Amino acid sequence: EDQVTQSPEALRLQEGESSSLNCSYTVSGLRGLFWYRQDPGKGPEFLFTLYSAGEEKEKERLKATLTKKESFLHITAPKPEDSATYLCAVRANTGNQFYFGTGTSLTVIP
Amino acid sequence: KAGVTQTPRYLIKTRGQQVTLSCSPISGHRSVSWYQQTPGQGLQFLFEYFSETQRNKGNFPGRFSGRQFSNSRSEMNVSTLELGDSALYLCASSFGSADSYFGPGTRLLVL
Repeated sequence: EDQVTQSPEALRLQEGESSSLNCSYTVSGLRGLFWYRQDPGKGPEFLFTLYSAGEEKEKERLKATLTKKESFLHITAPKPEDSATYLCAVRANTGNQFYFGTGTSLTVIP
Repeated sequence: KAGVTQTPRYLIKTRGQQVTLSCSPISGHRSVSWYQQTPGQGLQFLFEYFSETQRNKGNFPGRFSGRQFSNSRSEMNVSTLELGDSALYLCASSFGSADSYFGPGTRLLVL
């Protein structure tokens, strides 16, 4: 069964304290792994798509990496405005459905 | 380029009523997917439409239905509302199988 597990559920960081969020997945043929950011009361905002193991993508203080079993979202020197829930999703080769994890709630304290 | 729009943004209904939600995708996007988001279950896939055809369906009861029009706009209908249907309903559009972009959602409260 295709599934996605994110850890930790919640993370509190001091401003400038770098860390990583984890997304473990099992899928019958990975078509893509996606990272989204969601602010309270809003729809998820697209961040990255990764397609194959070894791939990396960066955007400002965020860097996403992918292995055959998991993905990491590295946050370097976070700022309070990075506080949000970060969602990971996978899309399998069979079908077009996204499978979402339950997210990591990140709080960055000034 | 305008993003995904959803209407209405907020809705209050009572048990037993039905509701229709609307989603307008990004111009040029032909795929529209619907999701239900609740604090306990997270984001759960409802269904996907592509070129007016349902291409994929999640594990939701038949009370949940949808359709897509020739201009790619999509509607989702929930009949015989239950308290547990209270959630944020999100629509996402994509160009084929590429990256999906979400709308702001419709917050449904069932009393």
